[in-house]
Amino acid sequence: GENVEQHPSTLSVQEGDSAVIKCTYSDSASNYFPWYKQELGKRPQLIIDIRSNVGEKKDQRIAVTLNKTAKHFSLHITETQPEDSAVYFCAASKGLISNFGNEKLTFGTGTRLTIIP
Amino acid sequence: NAGVTQTPKFQVLKTGQSMTLQCAQDMNHEYMSWYRQDPGMGLRLIHYSVGAGITDQGEVPNGYNVSRSTTEDFPLRLLSAAPSQTSVYFCASRRRTGKETQYFGPGTRLLVL
Repeated sequence: GENVEQHPSTLSVQEGDSAVIKCTYSDSASNYFPWYKQELGKRPQLIIDIRSNVGEKKDQRIAVTLNKTAKHFSLHITETQPEDSAVYFCAASKGLISNFGNEKLTFGTGTRLTIIP
Repeated sequence: NAGVTQTPKFQVLKTGQSMTLQCAQDMNHEYMSWYRQDPGMGLRLIHYSVGAGITDQGEVPNGYNVSRSTTEDFPLRLLSAAPSQTSVYFCASRRRTGKETQYFGPGTRLLVL
């Protein structure tokens, strides 16, 4: 099955600086890569996603890049703010087509991001 | 819409007891799933369902049962609780096709003594 590795496990950055979290995946058939943010005691929430036909996607201060050849994707947060402090999870799946068994999301182990004021 | 709801929010069990964690969604999502979250291990898939009457195992299914009699509900049953099942459990749902945003419930924190 799919295996997703995520690094680093913890990351501290000064407010205003950029943060980068990296993930690698094992199954070359994976085609959907979401990122979730989980604040303390809350549920994970989708912040951005990318599909395998796109190399980069941006949403304000957040961007995700995908390198299909190397099988890795990264989350970039610019101009970090205290409210960016949370645990971030990457995930991968083959679920862009409606085949039973291809629907599963495999998550990385998470990165605890701390923004230092 | 209430989205994905879970009950209870917190539960304490003794080893060997059974219980059912409830999950419901009102978005008419075909796909529903259960995850457990443990420190340093991310979110691990327990069971999932792609529609009423169809379920399958995920990564860590042992000790858990599920059923899906309606589109809305997807309960998770612990038949004989063990301390190793102490965890936070999240239910999630999404549409089976098209945009695949997965929505999580608020979670159930389970402590097995």
